[in-house]
Amino acid sequence: QSALTQPPSVSGSPGQSVTISCTGTSSDVGSYNRVSWYQQPPGTAPQLMIYEVTYRPSGVPNRFSGSKSGNTASLTISGLQAEDEADYYCSSYTSSNTVVFGGGTKLTVL
Amino acid sequence: QVQLQESGPGLVKPSETLSLTCTVSGGSIRSYYWSWIRQPPGKGLEWIGYIYYSGSTNYNPSLKSRVTVSADTSKNQFSLKLTSVTAADTAVYYCARATVVTTDTFDIWGQGTVVTVSS
Repeated sequence: QSALTQPPSVSGSPGQSVTISCTGTSSDVGSYNRVSWYQQPPGTAPQLMIYEVTYRPSGVPNRFSGSKSGNTASLTISGLQAEDEADYYCSSYTSSNTVVFGGGTKLTVL
Repeated sequence: QVQLQESGPGLVKPSETLSLTCTVSGGSIRSYYWSWIRQPPGKGLEWIGYIYYSGSTNYNPSLKSRVTVSADTSKNQFSLKLTSVTAADTAVYYCARATVVTTDTFDIWGQGTVVTVSS
């Protein structure tokens, strides 16, 4: 299974919105609404931010939202804050009942 | 609340077997899927495999020939064995719990343990 494709980096100023894409195939992202997004600040374990494409776990700000079109899922962070600076990873369930992650995107808040 | 803690040697010699254990506290290992995930230095996350408390497993195809994940319900633990390790297996190893009724959405993670493969 090949890793999902994410842009290596994105950036935005405080208050702006940024979108991170996650492209897979018809064997993973395109066939299942089982895309998750994780936030990982430096030196810490990942934290679940979005699951099943659009759902937020309790405690995650509603500035974080997810969507999907075809083989590409997206994470949008609106009202960017300095504390949002971190690495972000998408993941998807696959047709082999396995899990595949994206390569990660580093978000810089300017 | 449920917490996970990885434990095991931080240094493993090439060609030997990497063995790690994840201890689950604050909740039962039953009724959930439990995974191992790793992250090489400066790189992204890689899913290794999962186990259901009853013993059902599934592994990343790229690692399947070298990986075994097992569970001990009496100790509320699950474990990872990775054979014939090389420098490419150097990584932070995380254990994680999948949300109820899923195998692929990880809501609780351990803090991670660094494993270095070197002679």
